[in-house]
Amino acid sequence: DGGITQSPKYLFRKEGQNVTLSCEQNLNHDAMYWYRQDPGQGLRLIYYSQIVNDFQKGDIAEGYSVSREKKESFPLTVTSAQKNPTAFYLCASTPGVGNQPQHFGDGTRLSIL
Amino acid sequence: GQQLNQSPQSMFIQEGEDVSMNCTSSSIFNTWLWYKQDPGEGPVLLIALYKAGELTSNGRLTAQFGITRKDSFLNISASIPSDVGIYFCAGQSNYKLTFGKGTLLTVNP
Repeated sequence: DGGITQSPKYLFRKEGQNVTLSCEQNLNHDAMYWYRQDPGQGLRLIYYSQIVNDFQKGDIAEGYSVSREKKESFPLTVTSAQKNPTAFYLCASTPGVGNQPQHFGDGTRLSIL
Repeated sequence: GQQLNQSPQSMFIQEGEDVSMNCTSSSIFNTWLWYKQDPGEGPVLLIALYKAGELTSNGRLTAQFGITRKDSFLNISASIPSDVGIYFCAGQSNYKLTFGKGTLLTVNP
């Protein structure tokens, strides 16, 4: 099946620890995105990448980092600098051409121990 | 970052009733999208609107792209229990999406 796979489904972070969330897609999409969702809020853009080896900050990039070494993979690292990391993290992708809608993975819920 | 104004924030209705929700923005978008999200899952695309004034249906769902390109509404007819969830509007320009805060829909059987 073609789609977007996020792992793990649940993740726990200790104070001062960096953690990495995985996002893989087999849709051959050029563009990939990371969003953060808090209760009662819409999705807020953290980072996005339109092409391999290139990415841009979104609206709330502080405390996060990404890489895009392969077309199908866009991992997100939540660093210790992110003081309020507890949230639901969603990855999305689009073909990258025109205004094609974004399609989402099933998310990773990150909690602090 | 900018956000869309989505209303109502929540709705509690009886099965069989029709539902309407809308989004407005101070910015123009090239595309309006409506998503549904179930608890613990990612949003699923319901309807995509590409032209100002466009009216599109998907089963019991109907959505319209406002003439000014700054607003959209979603109607659900004859609601059923599985319609329960959070509905999000999103405006898209180029690669970027801007989301509303969502409408929580509860359907009483």
